[in-house]
Amino acid sequence: TQLLEQSPQFLSIQEGENLTVYCNSSSVFSSLQWYRQEPGEGPVLLVTVVTGGEVKKLKRLTFQFGDARKDSSLHITAAQPGDTGLYLCAGASGGEPGTASKLTFGTGTRLQVTL
Amino acid sequence: GAVVSQHPSRVICKSGTSVKIECRSLDFQATTMFWYRQFPKQSLMLMATSNEGSKATYEQGVEKDKFLINHASLTLSTLTVTSAHPEDSSFYICSARDMAVSTDTQYFGPGTRLTVL
Repeated sequence: TQLLEQSPQFLSIQEGENLTVYCNSSSVFSSLQWYRQEPGEGPVLLVTVVTGGEVKKLKRLTFQFGDARKDSSLHITAAQPGDTGLYLCAGASGGEPGTASKLTFGTGTRLQVTL
Repeated sequence: GAVVSQHPSRVICKSGTSVKIECRSLDFQATTMFWYRQFPKQSLMLMATSNEGSKATYEQGVEKDKFLINHASLTLSTLTVTSAHPEDSSFYICSARDMAVSTDTQYFGPGTRLTVL
């Protein structure tokens, strides 16, 4: 069974602070995705990283995929209240040839940004 | 683009009844859709992979006779929770892969909150 551990589980910070969320596994993934989920809604895709060592930036968010494609990090600069939500990483792994890859979701990091 | 809808958004039913949840890809075709369950303050757990025109593939521990999945077209998959019980109360989320895109990206629906009394 593939497991994706996220840390920290909970994070409460003030507006303007920086933070990093980690997503770790002992398994190798073909790609890794980061989502943000608001209460009562489905996850919204933030980014997909595919290549080991890849770094992607999305405004104040920086995503990195580990060289071995087993782990990833999400760094938020100058957090804002609008960043509040549940952040989920998800690793994709292929099944049988010709079948769609399945996503294994991380344990989640709940972020609260206060004024 | 890449919008997935679910209906209903929330449903309350009595114990022992069956509930059907629809998942539609609105602007793309999806040969594969996925059904997840999310309990409060927990992450998403994959229940099954829904394949258009063939039987669904269920994850270990998920009862296929209780959670019936039908994927009759390239834009619609349904999940029927049969003989629902209070422990089936959860947030059910579907996702779909765009068959025209060769990545692992899944687009998620807004979820369905099921409450079984």
